[in-house]
Amino acid sequence: GENVEQHPSTLSVQEGDSAVIKCTYSDSASNYFPWYKQELGKGPQLIIDIRSNVGEKKDQRIAVTLNKTAKHFSLHITETQPEDSAVYFCAAEGSTGNQFYFGTGTSLTVIP
Amino acid sequence: EAGVAQSPRYKIIEKRQSVAFWCNPISGHATLYWYQQILGQGPKLLIQFQNNGVVDDSQLPKDRFSAERLKGVDSTLKIQPAKLEDSAVYLCASSLGSNSPLHFGNGTRLTVT
Repeated sequence: GENVEQHPSTLSVQEGDSAVIKCTYSDSASNYFPWYKQELGKGPQLIIDIRSNVGEKKDQRIAVTLNKTAKHFSLHITETQPEDSAVYFCAAEGSTGNQFYFGTGTSLTVIP
Repeated sequence: EAGVAQSPRYKIIEKRQSVAFWCNPISGHATLYWYQQILGQGPKLLIQFQNNGVVDDSQLPKDRFSAERLKGVDSTLKIQPAKLEDSAVYLCASSLGSNSPLHFGNGTRLTVT
């Protein structure tokens, strides 16, 4: 099955700085990669996703890049705010369809 | 649209007792998942349903865990008997289908003492 690795496990940034979280995957047939934000006591919430036919997608302060050759994808958050503090998970959809494999999570802290 | 509903939010039981969790997915979502999330880890798939049929239950400890999705809508996950290592958050998610994101409920936090 798919194996997803995520780094770093913890990340602290000053408010206004950028944050980058990186993931790698093993199954070259995977072609859909969502990112989730999980706040304390809540379920993961989708924040952005990317499909393999594009290399980059942006939504306001959040962007995701995908390198299919290298099998890695990254989340970029610019102009970070305290409310961005949460745990972020990357995921990859397995080649058998609609089965998702999650990274181990990155705990992001934005320091005011 | 209404999100994925789960109940209860919290449950505390003693080991060897039984417990059941309930999930109501987003209307129209044919695929339903149960995930186990241990503190500090990513969600781990327990079982995936497509309508009322099981797609994948390879990670479900079938000697103690069971799940059903009668009528292809609501689902229940049961643990009997519970062990200390079952302490975790149990997340339900639903999806429209392939290449569509998962939508998660807020989970049930289970503590086994």
